[in-house]
Amino acid sequence: AQSVAQPEDQVNVAEGNPLTVKCTYSVSGNPYLFWYVQYPNRGLQFLLKYITGDNLVKGSYGFEAEFNKSQTSFHLKKPSALVSDSALYFCAVRERRGGFKTIFGAGTRLFVKA
Amino acid sequence: GAGVSQSPRYKVAKRGQDVALRCDPISGHVSLFWYQQALGQGPEFLTYFQNEAQLDKSGLPSDRFFAERPEGSVSTLKIQRTQQEDSAVYLCASSPMGGGGHETQYFGPGTRLLVL
Repeated sequence: AQSVAQPEDQVNVAEGNPLTVKCTYSVSGNPYLFWYVQYPNRGLQFLLKYITGDNLVKGSYGFEAEFNKSQTSFHLKKPSALVSDSALYFCAVRERRGGFKTIFGAGTRLFVKA
Repeated sequence: GAGVSQSPRYKVAKRGQDVALRCDPISGHVSLFWYQQALGQGPEFLTYFQNEAQLDKSGLPSDRFFAERPEGSVSTLKIQRTQQEDSAVYLCASSPMGGGGHETQYFGPGTRLLVL
């Protein structure tokens, strides 16, 4: 069955430190991979996506993600966290061929402490 | 420009009532998606429209759930005879083109449904 795992419910990091939010997936083929962020009382916002090519993808607000095919992972990273990065982060995958279904992980809440 | 809007933002229904949730996608967007997000979970796909055609309704949990997009713009998700397990946030998203592959989806703020 297709699935996305975000193994950490919560990640705590001090402002200025690097952050990593983990994501692994189990989807046939080479899926498209996405990260979305959800701020309180606001809709999901797109951060970045992996389509093809360079395994390191750069996105909005200084975030980047590294695609690792052998480990079927797509971890979200940022070199220096900001308090304003505190939010709920969702990893999502979609098959390349056919279908319109996007599968989301359960989300990871990021707390950045000043 | 205007993003995706949803109404109502909050809905309380008594068990057994019918509800209708509205989504106004970004103008001109071809694709429209509905998701259900239970508390503490990620969004789960319900259904997909390309213009007025419902091309995928594999995620609708039962025949009590029905969605339409008759003119290829506004969409309505209807839930008949609501049950407590229907309590969730219902998200709508749109994308500019055919909805396939790597298109970015633009999400609305959601409708929070509470069934008592």
